[in-house]
Amino acid sequence: GQQLNQSPQSMFIQEGEDVSMNCTSSSIFNTWLWYKQDPGEGPVLLIALYKAGELTSNGRLTAQFGITRKDSFLNISASIPSDVGIYFCAGPSADKLIFGTGTRLQVFP
Amino acid sequence: GAVVSQHPSRVICKSGTSVKIECRSLDFQATTMFWYRQFPKQSLMLMATSNEGSKATYEQGVEKDKFLINHASLTLSTLTVTSAHPEDSSFYICSASDRVRGELFFGEGSRLTVL
Repeated sequence: GQQLNQSPQSMFIQEGEDVSMNCTSSSIFNTWLWYKQDPGEGPVLLIALYKAGELTSNGRLTAQFGITRKDSFLNISASIPSDVGIYFCAGPSADKLIFGTGTRLQVFP
Repeated sequence: GAVVSQHPSRVICKSGTSVKIECRSLDFQATTMFWYRQFPKQSLMLMATSNEGSKATYEQGVEKDKFLINHASLTLSTLTVTSAHPEDSSFYICSASDRVRGELFFGEGSRLTVL
């Protein structure tokens, strides 16, 4: 089946640093979604991408829809402690949402 | 505020008992809801698609007799874990699609611990 692989698996950074993570797929997606999950909570949508090559920002977050439609990138600038959590990419497939493997972010003050 | 709510948020039960988890869409109607399971440090895995007024569609490897899904109204889907065992301990998350807003919302999750 379709798989979404995220890298890195985890990141430990200092407050104020920029963060980059990516998501790759073995097949094409027409929509890419980025979610954040806080501990013990459900995921919350951060950014949605609908067109290949699209670059979309939401505050300090910027995400890009790869030209090949098989990858996507998420950048967080000037990280703060509340950025801690797990970031998932996701893509719709036949009325279902497939989640990536996740990138766990830790931010140290 | 939350637009999809789950209850209970945490439940501890003895092995062999059944547990029901509710998922409600608070301010929209959802003909379709989704149930996910998430083991520690892992991703969300879709278990089943809950369809209002009809049978749920289960993903491969998910036992429909063990995980009973009932979507009796446009705002409520329930997941019942029957004869729970310790290996069923997990974080269960539901989601519902708001077609008007064009967005999928997730519940807060329900953590099940089976002793």
